[in-house]
Amino acid sequence: EVQLVESGGGLVQPGGSLRLSCAASGFTFSSYAMNWVRQAPGKGLEWVSAISATSVSTYYAASVKGRFTISRDNSKDTLYLLMNSLIVEDTAVYYCARDGESLPFRDGMDVWGQGTTVAVSS
Amino acid sequence: DIQMTQSPSSLSASVGARVTITCRASQGIRNDLGWYQQKPGKAPKRLIYAASSLQSGVPSRFSGSGSGTEFTLTISSLQPEDFATYYCLQHNSYPMYTFGQGTKLEIK
Repeated sequence: EVQLVESGGGLVQPGGSLRLSCAASGFTFSSYAMNWVRQAPGKGLEWVSAISATSVSTYYAASVKGRFTISRDNSKDTLYLLMNSLIVEDTAVYYCARDGESLPFRDGMDVWGQGTTVAVSS
Repeated sequence: DIQMTQSPSSLSASVGARVTITCRASQGIRNDLGWYQQKPGKAPKRLIYAASSLQSGVPSRFSGSGSGTEFTLTISSLQPEDFATYYCLQHNSYPMYTFGQGTKLEIK
């Protein structure tokens, strides 16, 4: 069964940092591009970041560029999102989602994790 | 940037009804669009990809159509488990994705 499991969410103060993880199983993780998508409380979905299968290319939404870093470890079948300089507006459920083979933005996102909650508050 | 305008933002319908949700793109996106269903507290689930292809395991009462700038998701006969929020997602504008604002489908 194809599965994505996020972890690492929690409560953090404004200006703080957090690293999210997404463990993949049931498919050849190293062959697929991956994404992070977030959803603020009561709001819609917002794409955050994408990474190619080999980590050569990374992409960010304007709202997080310069503060967030996406990465992956294909030997551990795990995707990461390092979030620095967090602001209240980053409060959301963060989902990881599988993209197409090799590069993102070609096929959309077909498999999603259950999400991990990040709360930024003083 | 490509903007996706989804309508209506909310919709009330009865079990058995036929329902249509629309997404309009601010510029042509070929058929680079998917439709997702999200239930409260759950992750989104893809229903349709490439504008009109049914995701494996999704009931055939769901269908998608359109190309270019206008797209529709149709549910032919609403079932109780279909009441949820629906989103479109375009993947034509490299290097970013854009979701529609969502349509909340409620029981009448």
